[in-house]
Amino acid sequence: NAGVTQTPKFQVLKTGQSMTLQCAQDMNHEYMSWYRQDPGMGLRLIHYSVGAGITDQGEVPNGYNVSRSTTEDFPLRLLSAAPSQTSVYFCASSLQGGNYGYTFGSGTRLTVV
Amino acid sequence: SQQGEEDPQALSIQEGENATMNCSYKTSINNLQWYRQNSGRGLVHLILIRSNEREKHSGRLRVTLDTSKKSSSLLITASRAADTASYFCATEGDSGYSTLTFGKGTMLLVSP
Repeated sequence: NAGVTQTPKFQVLKTGQSMTLQCAQDMNHEYMSWYRQDPGMGLRLIHYSVGAGITDQGEVPNGYNVSRSTTEDFPLRLLSAAPSQTSVYFCASSLQGGNYGYTFGSGTRLTVV
Repeated sequence: SQQGEEDPQALSIQEGENATMNCSYKTSINNLQWYRQNSGRGLVHLILIRSNEREKHSGRLRVTLDTSKKSSSLLITASRAADTASYFCATEGDSGYSTLTFGKGTMLLVSP
């Protein structure tokens, strides 16, 4: 099993560009989430999904879109990149129903110039 | 906003010593989880303690939970250099869908 796979690992964008961060898991997990990690801020939830076709906003959703057409994939779209979106992005998944730990991907380090 | 707050922010010890990290949170929870993050890597789930549990062990890890004080502690016994990492507590709320709210973490340095 590959677990949670994130691509790309590194990306540099110019202000105003758009891009999609990919996340795929092969564990048949219902719950998937996107977090961003900034120095001194810990991890903050951007968007999450509790199953295919169901998504919701987290703490910091502005400037990001998500969709969940399959159980396996949960892409994160940056609509118009801004320097404030420079961060490390983590995708995570978990079995449904709570009381299970999350499995994290290795992250995407994004720089917006 | 951050739910959990870890204390201390940084901890430096020698190999063989015990390391204790604390976490406080604000709202009622379904469970509390601890994660480890090595520099530049993703987070790894260490241990989960449910709201009706008071203590849990896993290898060299011991976690306690006091829901009346809204606090938890993680004890790593007989620390090794390989334990050098950042440690985060995360809480899962008891209402609505399952999402995790993370604290800002404790950086642990274990010197040989």
